[in-house]
Amino acid sequence: AQKITQTQPGMFVQEKEAVTLDCTYDTSDPSYGLFWYKQPSSGEMIFLIYQGSYDQQNATEGRYSLNFQKARKSANLVISASQLGDSAMYFCAMRAGGGNKLTFGTGTQLKVEL
Amino acid sequence: DVKVTQSSRYLVKRTGEKVFLECVQDMDHENMFWYRQDPGLGLRLIYFSYDVKMKEKGDIPEGYSVSREKKERFSLILESASTNQTSMYLCASSLWAAAGGRETDTQYFGPGTRLTVL
Repeated sequence: AQKITQTQPGMFVQEKEAVTLDCTYDTSDPSYGLFWYKQPSSGEMIFLIYQGSYDQQNATEGRYSLNFQKARKSANLVISASQLGDSAMYFCAMRAGGGNKLTFGTGTQLKVEL
Repeated sequence: DVKVTQSSRYLVKRTGEKVFLECVQDMDHENMFWYRQDPGLGLRLIYFSYDVKMKEKGDIPEGYSVSREKKERFSLILESASTNQTSMYLCASSLWAAAGGRETDTQYFGPGTRLTVL
């Protein structure tokens, strides 16, 4: 069975600071993909970043980077230079075990303050 | 850009009513998914479909059914709505592939439907 754990229900960060959102995963499948999605208060889930299990480099997308530590089974999201518009719920997710289903964590609510 | 639309942003229904939630995607994706989202529980998969007229149960299918008569449209049906089905419902789509990868694993979501059952 696949499992995603996000242990931080809520986080605060000052504008322009960097913030790390934690995610650990569990799967016995050697091939898997890891995702981060952002959900603003409007409700839509926005895809941010993807990391494949065989990717050698950590994924980066603009101000987002994924700190992938395979041995620790962690896939933390780093947001650099936080902006007020980054305030949202963030979900970590994983595709594993065949098929195209995603397993989601419970989310981290991030609030960016002035 | 992938576009996934859902028929309603907000819906209020009464217990026992039959409820239809519609989802349409315009990117010719094979896979379509229905999730419900509840505070503290994240997103849980209700049903998904790999192709027209094909459907598979997700983690919480009880009380729901689905229909996929056309590739671009995936409907979620609550046969007899109950108050414990009050939730946010999210539809998503993705390409199909036997092997994973960013292009095929990434799911694109609609705006969601907030359903309240009274």
